[in-house]
Amino acid sequence: EAGVAQSPRYKIIEKRQSVAFWCNPISGHATLYWYQQILGQGPKLLIQFQNNGVVDDSQLPKDRFSAERLKGVDSTLKIQPAKLEDSAVYLCASSLGDPQIRDEQFFGPGTRLTVL
Amino acid sequence: GQSLEQPSEVTAVEGAIVQINCTYQTSGFYGLSWYQQHDGGAPTFLSYNGLDGLEETGRFSSFLSRSDSYGYLLLQELQMKDSASYFCAVRVDSSYKLIFGSGTRLLVRP
Repeated sequence: EAGVAQSPRYKIIEKRQSVAFWCNPISGHATLYWYQQILGQGPKLLIQFQNNGVVDDSQLPKDRFSAERLKGVDSTLKIQPAKLEDSAVYLCASSLGDPQIRDEQFFGPGTRLTVL
Repeated sequence: GQSLEQPSEVTAVEGAIVQINCTYQTSGFYGLSWYQQHDGGAPTFLSYNGLDGLEETGRFSSFLSRSDSYGYLLLQELQMKDSASYFCAVRVDSSYKLIFGSGTRLLVRP
């Protein structure tokens, strides 16, 4: 079974530029998550999708971040314009989203963003 | 607010047993998960506790006490490859979203 795919793996941009990340979740996984992980910290949820609907985006800085999952499969996360403090690893994860006792999240390799 | 506390670093010897504690204060609680992350790698799921008690998976065990808002991850027969960061994460509502702790960096020495 293929895992969660993300691209690019690394990105370096200047502040005020824009950047986009792509994620393809595990086939059949209804729930997709975007996390931001700053060095030395735990992942922080930015946005959660159930199929193509947003479940939670309370932590998404909506003045500069946007995300979409148009067909309920892959997703893109965009930052425009980027700030220095956006330097982090952006992780995409997916899960079945069924009412199971445990709902294991499967993470992609992440995109390491450096804003100069 | 939501807060999860775990030690920032733990050091142990190969072959030994180590326990990583996690205390939480969250608006809701559905369960406690543990994830492992090697440097430069993706977090990977280790265990989940939805009810009080001990869950065992091979060399790893996880414990939960909901009345104490406390859990721990127990790693036995430590191996060098266990050197990684370990995160506790609370499922706070029915949406499956997780709130992660800041992580415990485990260093296993020969």
